[in-house]
Amino acid sequence: EVHLMESGGGLVEPGRSLRLSCAASGFTFDDYGMHWVRRAPGKGLEWVSGISWNSGGIDYADSVKGRFTISRDNGKNSLYLQMNSLRIDDTAFYYCAKDGGLGADPGFYFDNWGQGTLVTVSS
Amino acid sequence: YELTQPPSVSVSPGQTASITCSGDKLGDRYVSWYQQKPGQSPVLVIYQDIKRPSGIPERFSGSNPERFSRSNSGNTATLTISGTQALDEADYFCQAWDSSSHVVFGGGTKLTVL
Repeated sequence: EVHLMESGGGLVEPGRSLRLSCAASGFTFDDYGMHWVRRAPGKGLEWVSGISWNSGGIDYADSVKGRFTISRDNGKNSLYLQMNSLRIDDTAFYYCAKDGGLGADPGFYFDNWGQGTLVTVSS
Repeated sequence: YELTQPPSVSVSPGQTASITCSGDKLGDRYVSWYQQKPGQSPVLVIYQDIKRPSGIPERFSGSNPERFSRSNSGNTATLTISGTQALDEADYFCQAWDSSSHVVFGGGTKLTVL
């Protein structure tokens, strides 16, 4: 059974940094692309960033480009999101999600999600 | 790139609910649908327009009828829930991929089962 568990969320002041982690199990982690998706209070889902199975392909939403960095450690079955220069509108639940495609053929849909971690940016 | 959904849809128990998702040349793109209930993570209910993941009830179905159409008019994909049950009450999001905008979600539709 696929299991994704996020950690690292919390309360942080504007302009500060936070690093999210996602521990994966139940599947061959290095066969799949991975993504971060967020949902702000009262808003809809927003894709944040994605990384290919071998880290050769990385992409970001315009709203976080230049501030957030996605990475993965296939040896540790882990996904990360380094968030710098945080803004109040970054406040959201952040979900780690597994891409539905396989290897070099990403599906760009998300077939498994973690339970989410809450990031609150406030002074 | 934008995907447009109605903010809310209401349906009576046992009836059919249809949730639309519109976007430019949407027929050229695969559409996925997600269900999210309060306090829970999203769940994939339809992917690649019409495919249903294992464990998703057959009452959930998807369509993207203008796939491969040569029409340049606005395209619409639809999530249909047949025999809607109270437990289907949730927010539903469509999603597609665009080479310039990357992964895009619709604004979401709140399904109310009255």
